[in-house]
Amino acid sequence: SQTIHQWPATLVQPVGSPLSLECTVEGTSNPNLYWYRQAAGRGLQLLFYSVGIGQISSEVPQNLSASRPQDRQFILSSKKLLLSDSGFYLCAWSEGSSYEQYFGPGTRLTVT
Amino acid sequence: KQEVTQIPAALSVPEGENLVLNCSFTDSAIYNLQWFRQDPGKGLTSLLLIQSSQREQTSGRLNASLDKSSGRSTLYIAASQPGDSATYLCAVKETSGSRLTFGEGTQLTVNP
Repeated sequence: SQTIHQWPATLVQPVGSPLSLECTVEGTSNPNLYWYRQAAGRGLQLLFYSVGIGQISSEVPQNLSASRPQDRQFILSSKKLLLSDSGFYLCAWSEGSSYEQYFGPGTRLTVT
Repeated sequence: KQEVTQIPAALSVPEGENLVLNCSFTDSAIYNLQWFRQDPGKGLTSLLLIQSSQREQTSGRLNASLDKSSGRSTLYIAASQPGDSATYLCAVKETSGSRLTFGEGTQLTVNP
């Protein structure tokens, strides 16, 4: 069966510090991978998605970037965090663009 | 631009009651619609996926319907239990791209 992992579970970082969040998927090959952010009162917003290694599509211009160095690894990064980057970050995967999406446990990021 | 609305924002019911959660979307050109459950501080759990060609899907006490032409979906929960307490999110996938557009959710409380 497929499993999706995210770490860390929680993170408190000062403004201006770098960020690296990691997501890995087990039990599947060549999944589509997604990064979402859930901010209070704003619902879930798609940030990035990837259909293959090194292929990243950005949905929203922002202070963040994503990379996919391996087939089942998806990384969300920032060089300098802003207060507005605080939120709950969720990674998801699907077998293809038209299939059901499955979500990881999330990372709670607080920028202070 | 697709917009997804969920009504009500919050709902409190006594245990055993049957209930309906509503989801509406502005652009009927969707590929599928997915219902999720989110417990506080946790990731999303996929409940049901309805393809655009389908009218409904059932899983246990849950039944989701889709009326694409009117831009509506409902999630019916039979014989509600305290363990059903969570936020329920609907999301639509449009016919092009990988994006899921989410509603802001209905926060359900089932009182014992």
